[in-house]
Amino acid sequence: GAVVSQHPSWVICKSGTSVKIECRSLDFQATTMFWYRQFPKQSLMLMATSNEGSKATYEQGVEKDKFLINHASLTLSTLTVTSAHPEDSSFYICSARGTDYNEQFFGPGTRLTVL
Amino acid sequence: QKEVEQNSGPLSVPEGAIASLNCTYSDRGSQSFFWYRQYSGKSPELIMSIYSNGDKEDGRFTAQLNKASQYVSLLIRDSQPSDSATYLCATGGGRRALTFGSGTRLQVQP
Repeated sequence: GAVVSQHPSWVICKSGTSVKIECRSLDFQATTMFWYRQFPKQSLMLMATSNEGSKATYEQGVEKDKFLINHASLTLSTLTVTSAHPEDSSFYICSARGTDYNEQFFGPGTRLTVL
Repeated sequence: QKEVEQNSGPLSVPEGAIASLNCTYSDRGSQSFFWYRQYSGKSPELIMSIYSNGDKEDGRFTAQLNKASQYVSLLIRDSQPSDSATYLCATGGGRRALTFGSGTRLQVQP
């Protein structure tokens, strides 16, 4: 159990376009989801925490108007990168925690390349 | 001061040996501790969670927690080349985001 999926697994887009990444908990209800970003050979960086039905809490330095997070249901959270630029190219990973778990389970990640 | 500290490595061990990975943390209030494995280009995968002082074993993996000394360790017995990865120590959980260490890169030499 405790499977988290992400879609798409990779995406290439032009500068200035918006990209939506979906994170789904497949076999449990995710009360809390987390979004991370990871640059090559660097540590995971937490971007935001979202609880179902509430506004996301963003970490310091993360632009909430650029990285829109929606956690509309107990199985789905989305991250939209608006007006993407090459510096937004990174590996975006979500994790989820359910009501029966203390652990957090990660999705497989989405590799975003902005040209 | 970083809240979770790990030696970045690489830690190199021969195949079949025991790999010992260590982690210290600064928040004395931490209750939950986790070890994740991350292969290059992949997302982290949960290996072990530990909440009480002492040892917890799962197959070839043993997690050790000492809250008085504020350290957590992970032992990997009979190390295999497929164990070569970065191992992330984390504390937190529940509605709180995890606080990760920067990870220790393990290399198991065939």
